[in-house]
Amino acid sequence: GAVVSQHPSWVICKSGTSVKIECRSLDFQATTMFWYRQFPKQSLMLMATSNEGSKATYEQGVEKDKFLINHASLTLSTLTVTSAHPEDSSFYICSAGGGAGAYEQYFGPGTRLTVT
Amino acid sequence: GENVEQHPSTLSVQEGDSAVIKCTYSDSASNYFPWYKQELGKRPQLIIDIRSNVGEKKDQRIAVTLNKTAKHFSLHITETQPEDSAVYFCAARTGYALNFGKGTSLLVTP
Repeated sequence: GAVVSQHPSWVICKSGTSVKIECRSLDFQATTMFWYRQFPKQSLMLMATSNEGSKATYEQGVEKDKFLINHASLTLSTLTVTSAHPEDSSFYICSAGGGAGAYEQYFGPGTRLTVT
Repeated sequence: GENVEQHPSTLSVQEGDSAVIKCTYSDSASNYFPWYKQELGKRPQLIIDIRSNVGEKKDQRIAVTLNKTAKHFSLHITETQPEDSAVYFCAARTGYALNFGKGTSLLVTP
């Protein structure tokens, strides 16, 4: 299957700072990427759908000014958590694929964010 | 939006027994239903999927059934092994996005 990478795999930051997470599709072009958040012992919650060359579509309840998504190329989407707070600590997972005519989504390995 | 319900939340079986996890969905437009296995701290791994034009699909010890009329689909694992222990998530696709169930923690005891 296709390969999706994320960087960093884990990050610790101080409250009030910003953190950028990268999601890359390594061997295919992804017009659509998805960002999920997963709290301990909970399910994956879709945060936003990232479309190459256009604005992301955010799910209800997700602050677009706090979670900035940029999908500037067909292989890279970034999620920036701005003014991070301890409650933003979570496992952030991206996926790629699942666009028109392509059902399967390929998940990245996830990024563990801890805000102190 | 789509609502996916998954049961049970925990399941304990003895090695060699079968395990069944059930999901229901609300949006009749959903057309793709994958199942994922997730181990602690790792990414979800697709184990089997089914599209809305198919009623059943099998891959070795794993099978999925779909009842579109009733809007439910199930995962069946036969001859369970300890390495099957993990959290399993069902999902339903509406548009391009996947909506996940809350997960089932499966424990297979030797």
